[in-house]
Amino acid sequence: GNSVTQMQGQVTLSEEEFLFINCTYSTTGYPTLFWYVQYPGEGPQLLLKVTTANNKGSSRGFEATYDKGTTSFHLQKASVQESDSAVYYCVLAPRNMGYKLTFGTGTSLLVDP
Amino acid sequence: GPKVLQIPSHQIIDMGQMVTLNCDPVSNHLYFYWYKQILGQQMEFLVNFYNGKVMEKSKLFKDQFSVERPDGSYFTLKIQPTALEDSAVYFCASSLEGADSGNTLYFGEGSRLIVV
Repeated sequence: GNSVTQMQGQVTLSEEEFLFINCTYSTTGYPTLFWYVQYPGEGPQLLLKVTTANNKGSSRGFEATYDKGTTSFHLQKASVQESDSAVYYCVLAPRNMGYKLTFGTGTSLLVDP
Repeated sequence: GPKVLQIPSHQIIDMGQMVTLNCDPVSNHLYFYWYKQILGQQMEFLVNFYNGKVMEKSKLFKDQFSVERPDGSYFTLKIQPTALEDSAVYFCASSLEGADSGNTLYFGEGSRLIVV
């Protein structure tokens, strides 16, 4: 089956520190991978997405690289801000295998001012 | 960006009663979804709907659940009868093409359901 693993349940940083959120996935074929961000009281919103056509995605200073060899899709940001505090979900869309997105368990980021 | 609207934002209901959650998807989108999130837990897929039909559903989509989009109006999730374990936030989402083609899903802000 399809699965997404985010080992870090919570990350606490100070402003301007480097962010790294780990994500690994399991599926067959070459899926599309997303990072969605969910702010308190809101629904998830797309942060960035990567398909097999382009190995790296970036948005608002965040970057993620699709590594087929290690089946990983880690999220990074060089310098976080307090406004980045949210829950980050790594999400898998299996290629031509149905309409269900598979969400990771989420990583809650708290950035102290 | 594109907006998905959900009504109500929250509802408290007695166990055994019926509840209907309404979703106004992005106007030109064709695929619709419901996800369930219990407080502090991950998003879980319930069902996908396209062209008037359920395309795929999960084990969480019990027999008491139903979805429809009559005449292109609201996309609804109905639970009848409700149970205590149905308490959760229900997120509606829509996409222009299917999720299997890597299309982006746009989510609403959720409907918080509390069954007492």
